[in-house]
This record gives sequence, C-alpha cells and structure tokens, in this order.
Amino acid sequence: QSALTQPASVSGSPGQSITISCTATSSDVGVYNFVSWYQQHPGKAPKLMIYDVSNRPSGISNRFSGSKSGNTASLTISGLQAEDEADYYCSSYTSSRTLVFGGGTKLTVL
Amino acid sequence: QVQLVESGGGVVQPGTSLRLSCAVSGFTFSTYGMHWVRQAPGKGLEWVAVLWYDGSNKYYADSVKGRFTISRDSSKNTLYLQMNSLRVEDTAVYYCARDDDTRGHYSRFDFWGQGTQVTVSS
Repeated sequence: QSALTQPASVSGSPGQSITISCTATSSDVGVYNFVSWYQQHPGKAPKLMIYDVSNRPSGISNRFSGSKSGNTASLTISGLQAEDEADYYCSSYTSSRTLVFGGGTKLTVL
Repeated sequence: QVQLVESGGGVVQPGTSLRLSCAVSGFTFSTYGMHWVRQAPGKGLEWVAVLWYDGSNKYYADSVKGRFTISRDSSKNTLYLQMNSLRVEDTAVYYCARDDDTRGHYSRFDFWGQGTQVTVSS
C-alpha cells in the first residue's frame, strides 16, 4: 500500500475543472514540499507536469496547477481538454531518501 | 537533444539475474541524478532506485534492496540496473529517468526512456 493515496478515478467534461488529491499517510512523507505530478498516456512514458508542489516545467500549460495543504497535495486541471485524458501520479520525497508514487488516478474526459 | 534508451529486458526464470542498460545522450551524465522506475502490467508507477549525480549515494526501494544494484559507466554514458534473485513480482516495464533536481529531493524527472519489459516467469 502506497504512502500516497489518490482517488482511483475522476472525470469531467470539456472546459470544466477537476482536482486530483494526493494524501500522505505517513509523516515521513507529508512533511515535505517535494511533491511532483506526472501524466501518463497509455503505452507512453510518464511526463512531468508539476514539481515542488506548484511549479510548472517549461512548456507545460498553465491549465495545470498544484497546491498543498497539510498532508494533502492537489493537482487542478482547468479548461479540460480531450488530450488531458490520462493517468496521473503524484510522487514525494521521503525521509529515507527514497521516492514514493501514489497509486495513480485515471482521468476521463466525458 | 536529450535521449534515454533502455535495453536488456527479456523473459527470465525466477531466481535468475538480468542487467538493464540505459544509454543516455544529449547531456552531461555526471551532473544529473538518475533513477529507475518500474510499472507492473496494469499497475501504477513504482520507484526502484536512484544514483546521485556525483555517484556518491545510491538508494533503493525496500522491495528490491539487497537484490538490485544501480550503477553507471560515465565513459559509456550508460546507467545500469543489475537485478539478481528475480521474482515473479519483478515483472514490469522498467524506465530510466533523468532527475533535474540537484538538491537530491527527486522532484524533477524531466526526461524518461521508452521502457524495457522484464518478465519473470517459470
């Protein structure tokens, strides 16, 4: 069982906004602000969307944003588009100098 | 441009060994941390191991500690994952990834390879 809990699935219609949560179940994970979000389309390698809770890498749309409150990080996608349909994973640095991924969330664009 | 190309996957029996390679190009190998991440069929991502940018530290997931070893050959621009005592549950696509986070907090996997399939089956 992952130390980061994500909902198995979320859905939204084009143009709407959705939020995916990522809750740390262990204190050796939740204290850090080194949370990242990755998008993965079927059969493809993951793609970095957000790092350090809320920073976007160059080239990532500002429709993607991240935040954190307490032990829960969140990824918000605004203005949903068909190409946003994918699996999304959060990750966090741990006190053991390892990395943990959340279980992943399947986003369906209706 | 930056490229990471994994190789070495295959079908092996439980208890045997396999070495994966990740050939990199387009950047200075010794200035980035490098990771292995795997994904079992139909499952989520699982972090496997990290080699710090300066080669000073290596860390492993509990599920592979003592069985897997991460290393690199800078002269060949190649990252390796030596996998011993393989188990059925090690079956997965294995990705190598470049880590742009020089603080050592594993926060920016900015380039990934295409993955190589490892199947452990009797």
